[in-house]
Amino acid sequence: GGIITQTPKFLIGQEGQKLTLKCQQNFNHDTMYWYRQDSGKGLRLIYYSITENDLQKGDLSEGYDASREKKSSFSLTVTSAQKNEMAVFLCASSLGTVSGNTLYFGEGSRLIVV
Amino acid sequence: AQSVDQPDAHVTLSEGASLELRCSYSYSAAPYLFWYVQYPGQSLQFLLKYITGDTVVKGTKGFEAEFRKSNSSFNLKKSPAHWSDSAKYFCATATGGNNKLTFGQGTVLSVIP
Repeated sequence: GGIITQTPKFLIGQEGQKLTLKCQQNFNHDTMYWYRQDSGKGLRLIYYSITENDLQKGDLSEGYDASREKKSSFSLTVTSAQKNEMAVFLCASSLGTVSGNTLYFGEGSRLIVV
Repeated sequence: AQSVDQPDAHVTLSEGASLELRCSYSYSAAPYLFWYVQYPGQSLQFLLKYITGDTVVKGTKGFEAEFRKSNSSFNLKKSPAHWSDSAKYFCATATGGNNKLTFGQGTVLSVIP
């Protein structure tokens, strides 16, 4: 088995600040994802990456940057934190394409903007 | 564009009853359909998926789901329900070959002991 580790568990920042979330996986999976979970709205895809140094935009990429410098890690940066984007950010990975493969999720990072 | 609708935000039932969580989808090609579960304080976990073949698929923890093309549904079922099934359940869909999994809003299931 493997594990996905997200850090930090809680990220507190000020409005306008640049904030970064990190994700590590030891499944040796090719594809990694960042989702945002808002209460009552399900999960929305922000960015995903099918291999090292690849980045693909999801439905909610505006206001975010991502980086995949190693196969095992995928980071997400909120470029200018806003109070209306306080949410839980979930990292996930899969072996190949999501259509045929299970996604494995981390426990989430909660963003708090003050 | 693909989308998923879970019309019931909350479902409450008594332990021992049968549970059925509703999911409908819209798609432009043959869908791949999934159910994930999020127990309180935990990450999302895979329950089951439909790719092709038998329209009734069985997953972990005694759950099953039926793909019905006629009404674009993929409802999750279990009988009997147990209090430990209390969690938030997400239906999701993807189309072949792509890496975009689209989730529904989720249904919070409360099973009363």
